[in-house]
Amino acid sequence: QVQLKESGPVLVQASETLSLTCTVSGFSLTNYGVIWVRQPPGKGLEWMGIIWRNGNTDYNSALKSRLSINRDTSKSQVFLKMNSLQTDDTAIYYCTRDLSDYWGQGVMVTVSS
Amino acid sequence: DVVLTQTPPTLSATIGQSVSISCRSSQSLLHSNGNTYLNWLLQRPGQPPQLLIYLVSRLESGVPNRFSGSGSGTDFTLKISGVEAEDLGVYYCVQSTHAPWTFGGGTKLELK
Repeated sequence: QVQLKESGPVLVQASETLSLTCTVSGFSLTNYGVIWVRQPPGKGLEWMGIIWRNGNTDYNSALKSRLSINRDTSKSQVFLKMNSLQTDDTAIYYCTRDLSDYWGQGVMVTVSS
Repeated sequence: DVVLTQTPPTLSATIGQSVSISCRSSQSLLHSNGNTYLNWLLQRPGQPPQLLIYLVSRLESGVPNRFSGSGSGTDFTLKISGVEAEDLGVYYCVQSTHAPWTFGGGTKLELK
C-alpha cells in the first residue's frame, strides 16, 4: 500500500530554516520521484520542487535560492529544507509521488514573526 | 515558467448537471516524447488533492467515469457529466511537461 507522510515542526520563527521529512512506504524512491507542494491558507497549490528517481532535483524558480530537497533511499525518506522563512511561507506542505497519484495528508507550518 | 489559466474560477451547479472547466496553457504542453503531461486534481475541503485524470484524458483508477478530460496543445477541458454531491471542491489542472511544473489557479465547484 502506497503511503506518504509529512513530519516536522508546526511552528517556525521568521528568518529560521524549515526542515520537513516525507516518509514513504509501498514504493521505492529509486523508482519514483517525490514532489513537494505547498498551499497557503485559503489559496491555491504551489509546486515547490522535485527529487527525481535518479536523485536529481528541480526547483520552483521563485524558491530556488532558499530551497533544497534531498533523500535517504535506505530510510525511504525525502527531506525539504528552506531557509530565511517569512510569514508568507505559512502553508500546508504536502509531499506527493511524481505521478501525483498518492499524496500525504500534509503538515500545517506556521511562520511566526 | 508555464502559466495555466483556469476558467471559470467558480462554478455553481445543481446535482445532475453537466459542467466543464477550461485550462489554458501559455505554451504547448506536448512533450518531445509525444506525451502531453496535463493532469486534473480535485481537492475536497480539508483534504489533500486527489488525481482524477492524467495525460489529458486517462482516468485514474477508481475515479467515476462521469469525469472526462480532453484537449491538446494549449487548451484542455475537464467535464463532469452529472455532478454528484461528492464532486464539490476545488479542481486544479497541473502540467509536468516543462520544469518547473505548475498548477492552474483552481476552479471551485459549489452547489447552486
